[in-house]
Amino acid sequence: EAGVAQSPRYKIIEKRQSVAFWCNPISGHATLYWYQQILGQGPKLLIQFQNNGVVDDSQLPKDRFSAERLKGVDSTLKIQPAKLEDSAVYLCASSLVASGRADTQYFGPGTRLTVL
Amino acid sequence: GDSVTQMEGPVTLSEEACLTINCTYTATGYPSLFWYVQYPGEGLQLLLKATKADDKGSNKGFEATYRKETTSFHLEKGSVQVSDSAVYFCALRTSGGSNYKLTFGKGTLLTVNP
Repeated sequence: EAGVAQSPRYKIIEKRQSVAFWCNPISGHATLYWYQQILGQGPKLLIQFQNNGVVDDSQLPKDRFSAERLKGVDSTLKIQPAKLEDSAVYLCASSLVASGRADTQYFGPGTRLTVL
Repeated sequence: GDSVTQMEGPVTLSEEACLTINCTYTATGYPSLFWYVQYPGEGLQLLLKATKADDKGSNKGFEATYRKETTSFHLEKGSVQVSDSAVYFCALRTSGGSNYKLTFGKGTLLTVNP
């Protein structure tokens, strides 16, 4: 089966510019996650969707970051305006709706953002 | 809040050496525990997992045992290969509702030399 797809793979922008990332989860996966991975750190959850509803966006900097998943399938994460500290790899992951404890999240290859 | 502490890297070993990467956690509730691996140029992949105390997760020769009494989930392998060179992340997920977020450690870079 196809994995989680993300684009672009790399993006370089100047501070105060806008940028958008796209993610297409594994077919049938109702839950979608965006993580931010700063160099030398582990990924940090930004937002979790279940279908097209937001479950957790407590760590999303809402003054500049936004995300949507309008039809409950693919998703877009936007940064406007970007700051230097937003330089990171943005990871998308998906999982089945889980009733058990061992639900596995499958990760895409990530988008590496450099803000100059 | 939930947190994961991993042994600082980088770790450099010779092929066929034994590996241990320490991982301890702090969590409210009763977490599930995971090890993810990130090979150069690739995305995160689940390596193994354990969902309850004394469970042992295993895959590709790697093992980790869920130790509730010491709040640990150390990753071990008896004989590493060059192909095991990667960054390893310990992670936890506390159960509850529909929030399945993973909390990750900082990662440990492993380099295996021939």
